[in-house]
Amino acid sequence: DSGVTQTPKHLITATGQRVTLRCSPRSGDLSVYWYQQSLDQGLQFLIHYYNGEERAKGNILERFSAQQFPDLHSELNLSSLELGDSALYFCASSREGNYGYTFGSGTRLTVV
Amino acid sequence: AQSVAQPEDQVNVAEGNPLTVKCTYSVSGNPYLFWYVQYPNRGLQFLLKYITGDNLVKGSYGFEAEFNKSQTSFHLKKPSALVSDSALYFCAVRGVEGRRALTFGSGTRLQVQP
Repeated sequence: DSGVTQTPKHLITATGQRVTLRCSPRSGDLSVYWYQQSLDQGLQFLIHYYNGEERAKGNILERFSAQQFPDLHSELNLSSLELGDSALYFCASSREGNYGYTFGSGTRLTVV
Repeated sequence: AQSVAQPEDQVNVAEGNPLTVKCTYSVSGNPYLFWYVQYPNRGLQFLLKYITGDNLVKGSYGFEAEFNKSQTSFHLKKPSALVSDSALYFCAVRGVEGRRALTFGSGTRLQVQP
């Protein structure tokens, strides 16, 4: 157990639907990063939150959004889902000065 | 912009032989460099990192990596491969300044044959 918890582990949904992925960071970590891992695109950085504030955006589609709540857990919202959104979605957490990034076990999203 | 190149999609090595998984990077300024391993249906597990100091970094499970600034490389090595080392390996980089998120290479699949 890495200390980073992602739920659900698996999700199957239909095209056009909306889903929410959840990430609880390791205790004491203020930063949460979201990544998408697909076969053709590899590991792509989506978005970074630090202590509730958005810090950086990567290759995140406009149909996707995220937020980090006061208790530091984060949610990634994916809407108007397409077949190509099928992927593993990882979150990672880190703390300042530690230079370490701890990854959760991921959510496997399948869009049918 | 920062980037990582892992030139080999797959590396095959016999058990007991040394292994090398290659990584080169591009980043503005000094880099922070990382290696992660991913087993099937699992998340990314941290192996080692270079932040500063000694160019030879020792990590988990007997792995080590050498930072070479002139060649902008950070190759992963192990003196004696195990069948259980078979997995997908990712190199990642971030700059000392700027964006904190890691940029990953495309991954190298290591296959260790008995």
